[in-house]
Amino acid sequence: AQSVTQLGSHVSVSEGALVLLRCNYSSSVPPYLFWYVQYPNQGLQLLLKYTTGATLVKGINGFEAEFKKSETSFHLTKPSAHMSDAAEYFCAVSSGTYKYIFGTGTRLKVLA
Amino acid sequence: DTGVSQDPRHKITKRGQNVTFRCDPISEHNRLYWYRQTLGQGPEFLTYFQNEAQLEKSRLLSDRFSAERPKGSFSTLEIQRTEQGDSAMYLCASSPRQAPSPLHFGNGTRLTVT
Repeated sequence: AQSVTQLGSHVSVSEGALVLLRCNYSSSVPPYLFWYVQYPNQGLQLLLKYTTGATLVKGINGFEAEFKKSETSFHLTKPSAHMSDAAEYFCAVSSGTYKYIFGTGTRLKVLA
Repeated sequence: DTGVSQDPRHKITKRGQNVTFRCDPISEHNRLYWYRQTLGQGPEFLTYFQNEAQLEKSRLLSDRFSAERPKGSFSTLEIQRTEQGDSAMYLCASSPRQAPSPLHFGNGTRLTVT
């Protein structure tokens, strides 16, 4: 069985500060990992995904994530937060079948 | 790619009424998913279609819930005899293949049962 744990349901950062959203996964097979962003009253939009190969993955809007197998982590970072980054972020894992398991989300607040 | 479309965006209904939601996936995507999302939670899997075949239903999907995907195109999710606990955002997603192909989500239907 697979699972995802997102540490911190709420994270606040100042505008221009580093954004770090944490995701740890559990999987008995090599995982495929995803980060999605959700704005109020909207669906989820893909930020980036890890499949195989390079462990540092770059996504849209300046976000990136690093797959660390030894730590079973896939943390999302952005060097400098912007007000428009305020949203909810979801980490998801799949084993390569049709099943995608989502974490409970982290709400990012950006302070002016 | 016109995106995944869901209708309606919002639905308010009284307890005990039936409701039906529609999802139009991206046209070339043969895989379609329904998820439910409650406040402060991530999306929870409800059901999955490959073309017109419903291949899995979650235990979350009680007998009051039914989903169809006739002809492998659009899909409908019906909830009969709604309960207040059914209040949630219902999300539809589609993909052309299994993972690592990502899911493409619609904007959801927010259901409020009064």
